[in-house]
Parts: sequence; C-alpha cells; structure tokens
Amino acid sequence: GESVGLHLPTLSVQEGDNSIINCAYSNSASDYFIWYKQESGKGPQFIIDIRSNMDKRQGQRVTVLLNKTVKHLSLQIAATQPGDSAVYFCAEKLNSWGKLQFGAGTQVVVTP
Amino acid sequence: EAGVTQFPSHSVIEKGQTVTLRCDPISGHDNLYWYRRVMGKEIKFLLHFVKESKQDESGMPNNRFLAERTGGTYSTLKVQPAELEDSGVYFCASSQDPNWGGREQYFGPGTRLTVT
Repeated sequence: GESVGLHLPTLSVQEGDNSIINCAYSNSASDYFIWYKQESGKGPQFIIDIRSNMDKRQGQRVTVLLNKTVKHLSLQIAATQPGDSAVYFCAEKLNSWGKLQFGAGTQVVVTP
Repeated sequence: EAGVTQFPSHSVIEKGQTVTLRCDPISGHDNLYWYRRVMGKEIKFLLHFVKESKQDESGMPNNRFLAERTGGTYSTLKVQPAELEDSGVYFCASSQDPNWGGREQYFGPGTRLTVT
C-alpha cells in the first residue's frame, strides 16, 4: 500500500477523545466541499460533504464546519476510535464536471 | 457490484522506461477521473473523461502522459518515458453523475508507481 508522506501534518489522538482536523481551501467561488478518509493501500473514501449555503453538517460521529469568510473547513470526529487512523483530505469541487482540488492531508494516529 | 479497480497495484520501473496503468470504472459510470499523489503532497487532478471523450485534461503534467478510454469503458494512462518525479500513487475515480461532486466519485485503490 501507499506509505505516508514524509511531510504530512500528524494529529495524535487518544482513543475516546475528539479529533479536529483543519483545512484551508483556495477558491472563494467553490460551492461544495468534501472530506475523504484514506487508509493505507486504499483509495480515498467519502466521509461527509457540505454545500456553501451551510456552515455546519453532522453525520455519524463526524461534523463538518465551513467558514467561508476565512475559507476554512474543519472535520470533527467524536470519540475517536482506532479504526479512525488514516489520512484525511479535504477537497473542493472546482467545476460542474466534478473536478476536485484536494488539500495536503492530515495523518491521524489514534493511540490506546 | 464491483468497485473501481486498478492494475497494477504497484509498479517499479527505471527512468526512461514506459509504464501503462489501467483503470476499470464501475459499470455504467460515464465519468472517469485520474488523480495522482506525489509523496508528501496533495492529491492532484489529472484529467476527466466523459465516456470516451476527454472533458478536461488541464491537470496532465506534460506530453509524456497519455490517457485513453477507447470504447468508453476502461481507461489507460501511459507514461513514456518515465522520470523520477513521476513516482507517486495514481488514483482513478468514476461517477455516474458529476454534478454532485465528491459524494458520487468512487475511488479505486490506486497504483503505486516507483521510478528508479
């Protein structure tokens, strides 16, 4: 599988704690944002999305916050579990054809 | 239903050689995307097919990269000749309707390319 990038920001979280992953996006005109989870040896997997007319959206144990003023996205994971260990990417949709622009990614390591 | 598949999972080649990566999208998906992630950096868009036509190839780095999707089913991405900086993981994604963006894009496991 794919090895972790040498310069990925890393977030170490104790099992059971909440995680917050941050992302800055570039295009103020983007109207749709997605968080992906990538486990070793697998492709990015959709977690949660949010449209630009919202500032918060909740899923199962995850919440995405959008601050359009400062072009910032965050992903909150409640009660982090060992299975949450992965690289997390934010992405913005750049056009109506689905072209995505990804952030650099954050490695989340869950410790017992 | 099978997901997006990619072959090979890992390829190691020498600088100057040619490599061809293959992607089989989910059956019935007209939209096929190629992305790549160079080590330590973000995942970057390469190009987008709608059926057999290239809708957007703005992310292709140079003319050493050639993507095809003959017949509108599977796609190949050929790198010729490969350079060291081409090393990374190449992802393919497919979707039926591109308008919903990431929710509807299903990613394959990627091909890890190592150029030595």
